[in-house]
Amino acid sequence: EVHLVQSGGGLVQPGGSLRLSCVASGFTFSSYWMSWVRQAPGKGLEWVANIKHDASDQYYVDSVKGRFTISRDNAKNSLFLQMTSLRAEDTAVYYCVKGGWIHELDYWGQGNLVTVSS
Amino acid sequence: EIVLTQSPGTLSLSPGERATLSCRASQSVTSNYLAWYQQKPGQAPRLLVYAASSRATGVPDRFSGSGSGTDFTLTISGLEPEDFAVYYCQQYGSTPPWTFGQGTKVEIK
Repeated sequence: EVHLVQSGGGLVQPGGSLRLSCVASGFTFSSYWMSWVRQAPGKGLEWVANIKHDASDQYYVDSVKGRFTISRDNAKNSLFLQMTSLRAEDTAVYYCVKGGWIHELDYWGQGNLVTVSS
Repeated sequence: EIVLTQSPGTLSLSPGERATLSCRASQSVTSNYLAWYQQKPGQAPRLLVYAASSRATGVPDRFSGSGSGTDFTLTISGLEPEDFAVYYCQQYGSTPPWTFGQGTKVEIK
């Protein structure tokens, strides 16, 4: 059974940094793309970033380019999102998501709330 | 960037009725790589349909997806109490950024 267990959310001041982590189990982590998707309070879903199975490619939504970095450690079945220069509009629940064979988002973590506020 | 527009915003139906949700793309979705997700309050989204018409593992057959190009539909053939939720479409056919529709809420009438 696929499990994605997230950690690292919390309250941070504007301009601050935070690192989200996600530990995967139940599948061959090193074979799949992984994504981060976020959801602002009361709003819809927004795809944030993804990373190729071997970390050789990463993509980002324009609003986080240059501020967020997605990475992975296949030896530890772990996915990360390093967030810097955080803004109030980055406040959201962030989900770690596994990609399927044709990149559909097939398994989701429990979500972590990130609140950017002074 | 492909913009996805879902309609209606809210669908008010009774259990047992048929639900038809629409998702229209601003340009053709490559390879019809369009997915549908269900989200209940306080929960993570759940994949229902991928590649426009393929049901995900464990999804009941009352859920079906159809469409191609720019027009896609999710149909729930007979609403069960647990189906009242918000539904999102998402395209993943092009080079990212991938995009979601704004969602359709299916509520009990």
